[in-house]
Amino acid sequence: ETGVTQTPRHLVMGMTNKKSLKCEQHLGHNAMYWYKQSAKKPLELMFVYSLEERVENNSVPSRFSPECPNSSHLFLHLHTLQPEDSALYLCASSPVSGSNTGELFFGEGSRLTVL
Amino acid sequence: GDSVTQMEGPVTLSEEAFLTINCTYTATGYPSLFWYVQYPGEGLQLLLKATKADDKGSNKGFEATYRKETTSFHLEKGSVQVSDSAVYFCALRGLTNAGGTSYGKLTFGQGTILTVHP
Repeated sequence: ETGVTQTPRHLVMGMTNKKSLKCEQHLGHNAMYWYKQSAKKPLELMFVYSLEERVENNSVPSRFSPECPNSSHLFLHLHTLQPEDSALYLCASSPVSGSNTGELFFGEGSRLTVL
Repeated sequence: GDSVTQMEGPVTLSEEAFLTINCTYTATGYPSLFWYVQYPGEGLQLLLKATKADDKGSNKGFEATYRKETTSFHLEKGSVQVSDSAVYFCALRGLTNAGGTSYGKLTFGQGTILTVHP
């Protein structure tokens, strides 16, 4: 138990569906991250929120839309996805500080399959 | 930009064998270095870390030393167990300033699959 909870753990959707992934952290952190983990590829950073402001968006297609309503919750809204978007989506959190010595805490991931 | 290169896998060992997984990095400034482990069906867990040159991180019998001169952070364990079978990720964390705040994002290597047989 890392203090970061992701739901759902598994999601199957068609290309025309709209769904959302949810992440919640109970660690009092102020930075939250979405990573994509595809087979045989390094983890890809998608989005970073710091103090509820989006501070990084790594050229992610607009069919992925993040939302951070408060420092404890992070969503990833999905619409008109492609089969190549099938992957494990990992949420992480960390304190916001002027230091890079602390680790990120990860959830267990949401396994997405796009048919 | 920052990057991490990990030893290609998969790695298959017998129980009690010695493990080394190589990791080298490219980064500006003074990053912190991490090893994360992912067991089947789970998310990433921190295994160990080192925050400055010559630091040694250790946990559960695993060790890695931050070598600035060779830009390396190789993972070692003297005697692996079946329960160590997992995917191991080397990562570095730089410091980024954006939006008026500082935050550290992790850059990962591609991961190394380790399988340990009895």
